[in-house]
Amino acid sequence: GENVEQHPSTLSVQEGDSAVIKCTYSDSASNYFPWYKQELGKRPQLIIDIRSNVGEKKDQRIAVTLNKTAKHFSLHITETQPEDSAVYFCAASRTDSSYKLIFGSGTRLLVRP
Amino acid sequence: EAQVTQNPRYLITVTGKKLTVTCSQNMNHEYMSWYRQDPGLGLRQIYYSMNVEVTDKGDVPEGYKVSRKEKRNFPLILESPSPNQTSLYFCASSRNVVSPYEQYFGPGTRLTVT
Repeated sequence: GENVEQHPSTLSVQEGDSAVIKCTYSDSASNYFPWYKQELGKRPQLIIDIRSNVGEKKDQRIAVTLNKTAKHFSLHITETQPEDSAVYFCAASRTDSSYKLIFGSGTRLLVRP
Repeated sequence: EAQVTQNPRYLITVTGKKLTVTCSQNMNHEYMSWYRQDPGLGLRQIYYSMNVEVTDKGDVPEGYKVSRKEKRNFPLILESPSPNQTSLYFCASSRNVVSPYEQYFGPGTRLTVT
């Protein structure tokens, strides 16, 4: 079945450094790739998403890149801040038939002050 | 205030005792979904619904039932809970499945089955 692999499972960076989280997906028909942030004890919230007709999308300090040929996409956070510390989930979905949203296993990001 | 609500937030129950976790959204969203979150496994989809009376299985539907009789409500039913269903459950909704697709999550229900 469809699968999304996410790496690394944990990531520790110094405040101000960049963080990169990578995901690969198995279903070549996937065309929507959201990223969710989950702070401790809270619900996941969408932070950025990208569709398959776009190679890169930016929103202030965060950006997502997509390589359809290699079936992988990445989240980039620049100038990290302590409040970026959270668990980040990538996900993949196709919007033409099956409407399942398949999540990666999550990356725990720790930003050290 | 636009929101997704779940009840109860915490539940401890015993094996075999039927339970229902309610989910309600006030955004007139067509699409609703249930996930379970377990350490190291991320969020796994249990069931989803594209509209009233339209439901389908996600990745881990065994042991669960759902219904969508009204647009705003999407209850999750565990007919005979077992300890392996101990988990954190999230309900989510989105306007539709085409565009935009942002899913709004409820606050979560932590279920313990002994």
